[in-house]
Amino acid sequence: DVKVTQSSRYLVKRTGEKVFLECVQDMDHENMFWYRQDPGLGLRLIYFSYDVKMKEKGDIPEGYSVSREKKERFSLILESASTNQTSMYLCASRLGLGATNEKLFFGSGTQLSVL
Amino acid sequence: AQTVTQSQPEMSVQEAETVTLSCTYDTSESDYYLFWYKQPPSRQMILVIRQEAYKQQNATENRFSVNFQKAAKSFSLKISDSQLGDAAMYFCAYIPYGGATNKLIFGTGTLLAVQP
Repeated sequence: DVKVTQSSRYLVKRTGEKVFLECVQDMDHENMFWYRQDPGLGLRLIYFSYDVKMKEKGDIPEGYSVSREKKERFSLILESASTNQTSMYLCASRLGLGATNEKLFFGSGTQLSVL
Repeated sequence: AQTVTQSQPEMSVQEAETVTLSCTYDTSESDYYLFWYKQPPSRQMILVIRQEAYKQQNATENRFSVNFQKAAKSFSLKISDSQLGDAAMYFCAYIPYGGATNKLIFGTGTLLAVQP
């Protein structure tokens, strides 16, 4: 089965720090996503990538950037962490265009606290 | 804009009883997928059930079934014979069919409690 691995389950950072959240998938998926999950707001898309070095902004990209240098790895970067970025971050992947058995595969999430 | 709405922030059901979670969506597309995902306290998102919009027959997976009303843009999840392990956050989600840059759009979730 597809495995999506997020490097940290819990992370505590200080305001102003540069933060990297890493995500790796092992099934050669073309599409990868970063979502943010907050109570009462559901999952909101930050950025997604549909191929290596290709990315598109989601609904809430402000304060974030991403990097996809290799197909299996998609990194979310908080350039200067702020307290309002305290949240649960979920990475997901999808095979891509033309896939049958359409679904998203998720990592187990990173709970980020910015103090 | 494509949106997904879950109007029930919390629901509760007695063990062995049946519960229905509601979901409505808005789209101008004719071909798309709809999903229900479950997120237990472990935080791992688990696909519960998937429905292709072109299929008239409602999807079922064991104790889980959907009522898909395409014209009404409604996609509810019915859980029969509820078990303690069904307690979780449930998310309804939508994605258009095809397209390399399509993205999954989620509702705000329904927190389901199962009472013993």
